[in-house]
Amino acid sequence: GAGVSQSPRYKVAKRGQDVALRCDPISGHVSLFWYQQALGQGPEFLTYFQNEAQLDKSGLPSDRFFAERPEGSVSTLKIQRTQQEDSAVYLCASGSGGRRTYEQYFGPGTRLTVT
Amino acid sequence: GDSVTQMEGPVTLSEEAFLTINCTYTATGYPSLFWYVQYPGEGLQLLLKATKADDKGSNKGFEATYRKETTSFHLEKGSVQVSDSAVYFCALSEMGQGAQKLVFGQGTRLTINP
Repeated sequence: GAGVSQSPRYKVAKRGQDVALRCDPISGHVSLFWYQQALGQGPEFLTYFQNEAQLDKSGLPSDRFFAERPEGSVSTLKIQRTQQEDSAVYLCASGSGGRRTYEQYFGPGTRLTVT
Repeated sequence: GDSVTQMEGPVTLSEEAFLTINCTYTATGYPSLFWYVQYPGEGLQLLLKATKADDKGSNKGFEATYRKETTSFHLEKGSVQVSDSAVYFCALSEMGQGAQKLVFGQGTRLTINP
Protein backbone atom coordinates (compact mmCIF):
# COMPACT_ATOMS: atom_id res chain seq x y z
CA GLY A 1 0.00 0.00 0.00
CA ALA A 2 0.96 3.63 -0.21
CA GLY A 3 3.33 5.03 2.35
CA VAL A 4 3.39 8.42 3.97
CA SER A 5 3.48 11.21 1.44
CA GLN A 6 4.40 14.86 1.93
CA SER A 7 4.04 17.92 -0.25
CA PRO A 8 5.66 19.97 -1.46
CA ARG A 9 8.99 18.15 -1.46
CA TYR A 10 10.86 21.44 -1.67
CA LYS A 11 9.79 24.92 -0.64
CA VAL A 12 11.67 28.18 -0.86
CA ALA A 13 10.20 31.05 1.10
CA LYS A 14 11.30 34.61 1.61
CA ARG A 15 11.76 35.62 5.21
CA GLY A 16 8.47 36.76 6.63
CA GLN A 17 6.28 34.63 4.38
CA ASP A 18 3.85 32.03 5.68
CA VAL A 19 4.18 28.41 4.53
CA ALA A 20 1.98 25.32 4.77
CA LEU A 21 3.36 21.80 4.61
CA ARG A 22 1.09 18.83 3.99
CA CYS A 23 1.27 15.26 5.23
CA ASP A 24 -0.82 12.31 4.02
CA PRO A 25 -0.34 9.46 6.50
CA ILE A 26 -0.81 5.78 5.80
CA SER A 27 -4.53 5.10 5.58
CA GLY A 28 -6.01 4.11 8.91
CA HIS A 29 -3.05 5.19 11.01
CA VAL A 30 -4.19 6.77 14.25
CA SER A 31 -0.95 8.46 15.21
CA LEU A 32 0.76 11.27 13.33
CA PHE A 33 4.03 12.93 14.28
CA TRP A 34 5.91 15.94 12.94
CA TYR A 35 9.70 16.24 13.27
CA GLN A 36 12.18 18.93 12.25
CA GLN A 37 15.59 17.89 10.90
CA ALA A 38 18.26 20.56 10.65
CA LEU A 39 21.15 20.01 8.26
CA GLY A 40 23.52 17.35 9.57
CA GLN A 41 21.37 16.59 12.62
CA GLY A 42 18.88 13.97 13.66
CA PRO A 43 15.17 14.70 13.56
CA GLU A 44 13.65 16.49 16.55
CA PHE A 45 10.07 16.02 17.71
CA LEU A 46 7.63 18.85 17.09
CA THR A 47 4.11 17.60 17.75
CA TYR A 48 1.83 14.55 17.92
CA PHE A 49 -1.78 13.86 16.94
CA GLN A 50 -3.96 10.96 17.90
CA ASN A 51 -6.71 11.07 15.30
CA GLU A 52 -7.74 14.73 15.22
CA ALA A 53 -6.58 15.54 18.75
CA GLN A 54 -3.24 17.25 19.19
CA LEU A 55 -2.01 15.59 22.38
CA ASP A 56 1.54 16.89 22.48
CA LYS A 57 2.92 20.11 21.04
CA SER A 58 5.82 20.46 23.41
CA GLY A 59 8.40 20.48 20.60
CA LEU A 60 7.01 23.37 18.60
CA PRO A 61 9.79 25.98 18.77
CA SER A 62 7.58 29.08 18.83
CA ASP A 63 4.01 30.27 18.48
CA ARG A 64 4.72 30.83 14.78
CA PHE A 65 4.39 27.07 14.33
CA PHE A 66 0.92 25.62 14.14
CA ALA A 67 -0.28 22.14 13.17
CA GLU A 68 -3.70 20.70 12.54
CA ARG A 69 -5.35 17.43 11.56
CA PRO A 70 -9.04 18.36 11.44
CA GLU A 71 -10.47 15.06 10.16
CA GLY A 72 -7.95 12.72 11.69
CA SER A 73 -6.22 12.00 8.40
CA VAL A 74 -4.27 14.65 6.46
CA SER A 75 -2.22 17.04 8.56
CA THR A 76 -0.85 20.48 7.82
CA LEU A 77 2.09 22.15 9.53
CA LYS A 78 1.96 25.91 9.15
CA ILE A 79 4.81 28.27 9.84
CA GLN A 80 3.99 31.95 10.02
CA ARG A 81 6.45 34.79 9.35
CA THR A 82 9.24 32.37 8.45
CA GLN A 83 12.76 33.05 9.72
CA GLN A 84 16.07 31.76 8.43
CA GLU A 85 16.42 29.44 11.41
CA ASP A 86 13.28 27.64 10.21
CA SER A 87 15.25 26.25 7.26
CA ALA A 88 15.20 22.47 7.73
CA VAL A 89 13.61 19.27 6.49
CA TYR A 90 10.19 18.69 8.02
CA LEU A 91 9.33 15.05 8.44
CA CYS A 92 5.95 13.50 9.01
CA ALA A 93 5.50 10.02 10.43
CA SER A 94 2.45 7.89 11.13
CA GLY A 95 1.78 4.83 13.21
CA SER A 96 -1.07 2.47 13.95
CA GLY A 97 -0.71 1.98 17.68
CA GLY A 98 -2.12 5.10 19.27
CA ARG A 99 -0.26 6.69 22.17
CA ARG A 100 2.07 3.75 22.53
CA THR A 101 3.06 3.59 18.88
CA TYR A 102 6.54 2.14 18.83
CA GLU A 103 6.95 1.92 15.07
CA GLN A 104 6.70 5.08 13.07
CA TYR A 105 6.66 5.21 9.26
CA PHE A 106 8.25 8.30 7.81
CA GLY A 107 7.49 10.32 4.71
CA PRO A 108 10.22 11.70 2.43
CA GLY A 109 10.10 15.12 4.07
CA THR A 110 9.69 18.69 2.88
CA ARG A 111 12.91 20.67 2.57
CA LEU A 112 12.18 24.28 3.53
CA THR A 113 14.69 26.98 2.65
CA VAL A 114 14.08 30.48 3.96
CA THR A 115 16.00 33.20 2.13
CA GLY B 1 15.37 14.64 29.04
CA ASP B 2 16.48 11.48 27.31
CA SER B 3 19.29 11.66 24.75
CA VAL B 4 21.19 9.58 22.21
CA THR B 5 24.85 9.91 21.25
CA GLN B 6 26.18 8.12 18.23
CA MET B 7 29.51 7.77 16.53
CA GLU B 8 30.46 10.76 14.47
CA GLY B 9 30.90 10.30 10.77
CA PRO B 10 31.49 10.15 8.03
CA VAL B 11 32.55 6.51 7.97
CA THR B 12 34.11 5.11 4.80
CA LEU B 13 34.73 1.39 4.35
CA SER B 14 35.53 -1.00 1.56
CA GLU B 15 33.02 -3.58 0.41
CA GLU B 16 32.94 -6.71 2.61
CA ALA B 17 34.46 -4.89 5.59
CA PHE B 18 33.06 -5.27 9.11
CA LEU B 19 30.92 -2.39 10.32
CA THR B 20 30.33 -1.02 13.82
CA ILE B 21 28.49 2.22 14.51
CA ASN B 22 28.45 3.03 18.21
CA CYS B 23 25.36 4.34 19.97
CA THR B 24 24.86 5.13 23.65
CA TYR B 25 21.82 6.57 25.35
CA THR B 26 20.69 8.34 28.49
CA ALA B 27 17.19 7.60 29.72
CA THR B 28 15.30 7.78 32.98
CA GLY B 29 13.08 4.82 32.17
CA TYR B 30 13.34 1.73 29.99
CA PRO B 31 13.00 2.92 26.43
CA SER B 32 12.75 0.90 23.25
CA LEU B 33 15.75 1.36 20.98
CA PHE B 34 15.85 1.68 17.20
CA TRP B 35 18.13 2.05 14.23
CA TYR B 36 16.72 3.98 11.30
CA VAL B 37 18.37 4.30 7.87
CA GLN B 38 18.03 7.09 5.33
CA TYR B 39 19.07 6.18 1.80
CA PRO B 40 19.85 9.03 -0.61
CA GLY B 41 16.64 10.76 -1.70
CA GLU B 42 14.42 8.59 0.49
CA GLY B 43 12.65 8.90 3.83
CA LEU B 44 13.73 7.38 7.11
CA GLN B 45 13.16 3.64 7.28
CA LEU B 46 13.13 1.48 10.37
CA LEU B 47 16.08 -0.92 10.14
CA LEU B 48 15.73 -2.80 13.43
CA LYS B 49 14.50 -2.42 16.98
CA ALA B 50 14.79 -3.89 20.47
CA THR B 51 12.24 -3.32 23.20
CA LYS B 52 13.96 -4.63 26.33
CA ALA B 53 17.37 -5.38 27.80
CA ASP B 54 19.38 -8.14 26.08
CA ASP B 55 17.05 -8.19 23.08
CA LYS B 56 18.83 -8.40 19.75
CA GLY B 57 17.30 -6.67 16.76
CA SER B 58 18.32 -7.85 13.30
CA ASN B 59 17.47 -7.12 9.68
CA LYS B 60 19.26 -7.25 6.29
CA GLY B 61 22.41 -8.61 7.95
CA PHE B 62 22.54 -5.79 10.50
CA GLU B 63 22.16 -6.45 14.19
CA ALA B 64 22.23 -4.56 17.47
CA THR B 65 21.87 -5.72 21.08
CA TYR B 66 20.17 -3.68 23.81
CA ARG B 67 22.80 -3.46 26.57
CA LYS B 68 21.30 -1.92 29.68
CA GLU B 69 24.49 -2.20 31.75
CA THR B 70 26.44 -0.09 29.26
CA THR B 71 23.41 1.89 27.96
CA SER B 72 24.43 1.00 24.43
CA PHE B 73 22.87 -0.22 21.18
CA HIS B 74 25.76 -0.55 18.74
CA LEU B 75 24.97 -1.40 15.11
CA GLU B 76 27.04 -4.14 13.45
CA LYS B 77 27.24 -5.89 10.10
CA GLY B 78 29.74 -8.55 9.19
CA SER B 79 30.20 -7.73 5.51
CA VAL B 80 28.96 -4.44 4.09
CA GLN B 81 27.88 -3.80 0.52
CA VAL B 82 27.92 -0.69 -1.64
CA SER B 83 24.13 -0.59 -1.31
CA ASP B 84 24.49 -0.05 2.46
CA SER B 85 25.74 3.47 1.83
CA ALA B 86 23.31 5.72 3.71
CA VAL B 87 22.87 7.77 6.87
CA TYR B 88 22.14 5.72 9.99
CA PHE B 89 20.27 7.10 13.01
CA CYS B 90 20.10 5.57 16.45
CA ALA B 91 16.94 6.47 18.36
CA LEU B 92 15.01 5.75 21.52
CA SER B 93 11.35 6.05 22.29
CA GLU B 94 10.40 8.31 25.16
CA MET B 95 6.90 8.70 26.53
CA GLY B 96 6.08 12.36 26.13
CA GLN B 97 2.92 14.23 27.07
CA GLY B 98 0.88 12.37 24.50
CA ALA B 99 2.76 9.53 22.92
CA GLN B 100 5.93 7.55 22.43
CA LYS B 101 8.02 10.12 20.61
CA LEU B 102 11.39 9.29 19.10
CA VAL B 103 14.64 10.92 20.27
CA PHE B 104 17.36 10.62 17.62
CA GLY B 105 21.12 10.78 17.56
CA GLN B 106 22.80 13.09 15.09
CA GLY B 107 23.26 10.42 12.42
CA THR B 108 26.30 8.69 10.94
CA ARG B 109 26.94 8.87 7.20
CA LEU B 110 28.31 5.60 5.86
CA THR B 111 29.97 5.27 2.46
CA ILE B 112 30.97 1.87 1.10
CA ASN B 113 33.49 1.82 -1.73
CA PRO B 114 33.61 -1.08 -4.22
